[in-house]
Amino acid sequence: KQEVTQIPAALSVPEGENLVLNCSFTDSAIYNLQWFRQDPGKGLTSLLLIQSSQREQTSGRLNASLDKSSGRSTLYIAASQPGDSATYLCAADSGTYKYIFGTGTRLKVLA
Amino acid sequence: DTGVSQDPRHKITKRGQNVTFRCDPISEHNRLYWYRQTLGQGPEFLTYFQNEAQLEKSRLLSDRFSAERPKGSFSTLEIQRTEQGDSAMYLCASSFDYPFGGSGDRNRRNTIYFGEGSWLTVV
Repeated sequence: KQEVTQIPAALSVPEGENLVLNCSFTDSAIYNLQWFRQDPGKGLTSLLLIQSSQREQTSGRLNASLDKSSGRSTLYIAASQPGDSATYLCAADSGTYKYIFGTGTRLKVLA
Repeated sequence: DTGVSQDPRHKITKRGQNVTFRCDPISEHNRLYWYRQTLGQGPEFLTYFQNEAQLEKSRLLSDRFSAERPKGSFSTLEIQRTEQGDSAMYLCASSFDYPFGGSGDRNRRNTIYFGEGSWLTVV
């Protein structure tokens, strides 16, 4: 059974700092891993999807990496801004199209 | 592409009443998902459809819950005899099932897109 863990649960950083959010999964036989952003009371916005055959994906200031052998994915945010403040969720799909989510990391970027 | 739409956005109902939520997926997407999210938790899978066929249901989806996707377009999620424990945000998502051997941006096509969610409060 796939389980997804995100550490830390909350993070507060000053504006401009580079930061890394961590995601661990127990079943390395994943098909896709996707990172999302969620603002309070809102739905989820897809940030990046990494397929099992890929090692990383980049979009603007975001870079997501995937290491299946160690069961880890990281989301790197460069030059953080107050507008990046949100909860970041990772989700793993083991090929069944049932994405299993972590509980998220609540990020606050201080101006 | 107008995104995934959900209606209503908020619903307050008395315990024991029935409620129905509607989801309109992105037009070309053939897969549709329902998730439930409570405060401080990640979304939990409830069910998904491939076109009009409901392919999987979570054990979280008790007999009081029913989902349909007639004609493979919009979907409804009905909760009968609501209980206070049903209070949550119900999220709908859609994706395009990437066919084996097909071409195009595989990452974009396998991405799931969520709606803004429907908040349910049972009092």
